[in-house]
Amino acid sequence: LAKTTQPISMDSYEGQEVNITCSHNNIATNDYITWYQQFPSQGPRFIIQGYKTKVTNEVASLFIPADRKSSTLSLPRVSLSDTAVYYCLVGAYSSGGYNKLIFGAGTRLAVHP
Amino acid sequence: NAGVMQNPRHLVRRRGQEARLRCSPMKGHSHVYWYRQLPEEGLKFMVYLQKENIIDESGMPKERFSAEFPKEGPSILRIQQVVRGDSAAYFCASSTRAGDGGTYNEQFFGPGTRLTVL
Repeated sequence: LAKTTQPISMDSYEGQEVNITCSHNNIATNDYITWYQQFPSQGPRFIIQGYKTKVTNEVASLFIPADRKSSTLSLPRVSLSDTAVYYCLVGAYSSGGYNKLIFGAGTRLAVHP
Repeated sequence: NAGVMQNPRHLVRRRGQEARLRCSPMKGHSHVYWYRQLPEEGLKFMVYLQKENIIDESGMPKERFSAEFPKEGPSILRIQQVVRGDSAAYFCASSTRAGDGGTYNEQFFGPGTRLTVL
């Protein structure tokens, strides 16, 4: 499984767009990129997943360049409730396998009023 | 549709006692995963189970830790003779099935059990 590197912490203000970049230089051809969010005293929650280019859902967007060695999670117009730890995970979900999620330390996002 | 349920939410044990953590997966989910999280760290995979089978326990300490997922009832993570280093948050997750031809099967996490060993 590819190792990921992301900033330890970030600060933002309400209403701003937040971009969290994750480096995964050793990503394999069949690896997907997945982001999870964890609030204090709660379990992680799936946010978004992608393989290449751009993916968007109701919560976030995920930008993946052509070489796939990095990815950027974009949170539009954050609010105080977006204060959480964000984890970037890289792994393969091939037939016959299973999702053994490998979490790094994540990025602690603090949103200020 | 209730989510993944874990109990107790908080558990306090003295050194040498046993800790039993329970996890009820989401309805229809037959795959259960246990993770441990130390303060200020990410989650660490411990074990993956299907009904009545342990599929991967590569993240489990060799001694004192065991897990089961019986045909009926919740999955149990059991820690015997607890030590202070076992103090952590233990999360359970469930999914409908394992990886399937590149399709991601989302793991849904429970609220965790916070174990404190005195």
